[in-house]
Amino acid sequence: SQQGEEDPQALSIQEGENATMNCSYKTSINNLQWYRQNSGRGLVHLILIRSNEREKHSGRLRVTLDTSKKSSSLLITASRAADTASYFCATGGENMRFGAGTRLTVKP
Amino acid sequence: GAVVSQHPSRVICKSGTSVKIECRSLDFQATTMFWYRQFPKQSLMLMATSNEGSKATYEQGVEKDKFLINHASLTLSTLTVTSAHPEDSSFYICSIPTGSAGGYNEQFFGPGTRLTVL
Repeated sequence: SQQGEEDPQALSIQEGENATMNCSYKTSINNLQWYRQNSGRGLVHLILIRSNEREKHSGRLRVTLDTSKKSSSLLITASRAADTASYFCATGGENMRFGAGTRLTVKP
Repeated sequence: GAVVSQHPSRVICKSGTSVKIECRSLDFQATTMFWYRQFPKQSLMLMATSNEGSKATYEQGVEKDKFLINHASLTLSTLTVTSAHPEDSSFYICSIPTGSAGGYNEQFFGPGTRLTVL
């Protein structure tokens, strides 16, 4: 069964703008992960944040985690056309469950 | 991270035939592999957890007799879709998780297999 829900389902922005995607989940977790999927391809792991962490950075990516609200956000700064993809959150721990994903389109 | 391959990348078959999809770990000994199915513009749905040397664990609603999983070695898991029907057409993806049961971390995904059943 689905675990998380991403919000928004689709996001369209101009190159250079920031993109923020949110994820909510239902059960307790050990960690939460964000993945990227280009159309018709496998998923690529972007970043993992542990349940005792509140914020994590990796290049242009910034992830936050609020375990009290059971939610996480992924911020991509200074977006590029190459960032166009679907982004999924997944909860780690006992089980791996994926959210519905956000389809991000970055227009050049 | 682990490098994961899948074969074939695409397969088209007639209704009623069986299709075997291979998932290989090229540089990592995988005692566990996950099999997912993804319909267009939808998320990944976990089908089963493949365990090396033992039976796979299937998710609720997934028919174990229809989706046969064999994890015969630490580098190979196979998913066989038996008596495939058009509704089985989908994108099948395998992954290797790091961590262990009860504490999975990031996964390394294969490139996926596009199955089309005519």
